Amino acid sequence: DSGVTQTPKHLITATGQRVTLRCSPRSGDLSVYWYQQSLDQGLQFLIQYYNGEERAKGNILERFSAQQFPDLHSELNLSSLELGDSALYFCASSGLTNTGELFFGEGSRLTVL
Amino acid sequence: AQKVTQAQTEISVVEKEDVTLDCVYETRDTTYYLFWYKQPPSGELVFLIRRNSFDEQNEISGRYSWNFQKSTSSFNFTITASQVVDSAVYFCALRRGTGFQKLVFGTGTRLLVSP
Repeated sequence: DSGVTQTPKHLITATGQRVTLRCSPRSGDLSVYWYQQSLDQGLQFLIQYYNGEERAKGNILERFSAQQFPDLHSELNLSSLELGDSALYFCASSGLTNTGELFFGEGSRLTVL
Repeated sequence: AQKVTQAQTEISVVEKEDVTLDCVYETRDTTYYLFWYKQPPSGELVFLIRRNSFDEQNEISGRYSWNFQKSTSSFNFTITASQVVDSAVYFCALRRGTGFQKLVFGTGTRLLVSP
């Protein structure tokens, strides 16, 4: 158990819909990262937050957005969903140093039909 | 730019065989960190090891060992006496050493260990 909690574990929805994925980082970790894992793209970095502020942005679509709340949990919002958005979405957290390893949650598997 | 290459897409071995997973990285930074993660069939990503660019000592943890060679930009992972439970996808990753940096992952190597 990494200490990072993601909900929901599985989600099935239709094209055009909007979903929200939630992440609680390890106790004491201020940084949260979101990654997308799909068969054709591998593990792709989406976005990073540190103590509520966006710190780095990767290949995140404009239809996607995220935020980190004062209690440090984070949410990834995916809207106008397309079939190609079907993937495993991981949240990870890391400690203060930002040089250490990332601890990943179990992921949220999104299926868009 | 940061890049990690895992040229081996899939490796199949029989239990008790030794197996080495290759990882080659590219970076212009002098300070960086290298990682290995395991993704078993259940899907989670499990952290295995972190090395920084100033520490080229090889590391052994039980049946696992890692060989870091800056001269060849490689960070290879060897499993000795493989077991069925080692079956998973293994990812090598790279992180810059300054600021708020993401992990850049390789494409992963799927290891199948059969009884």
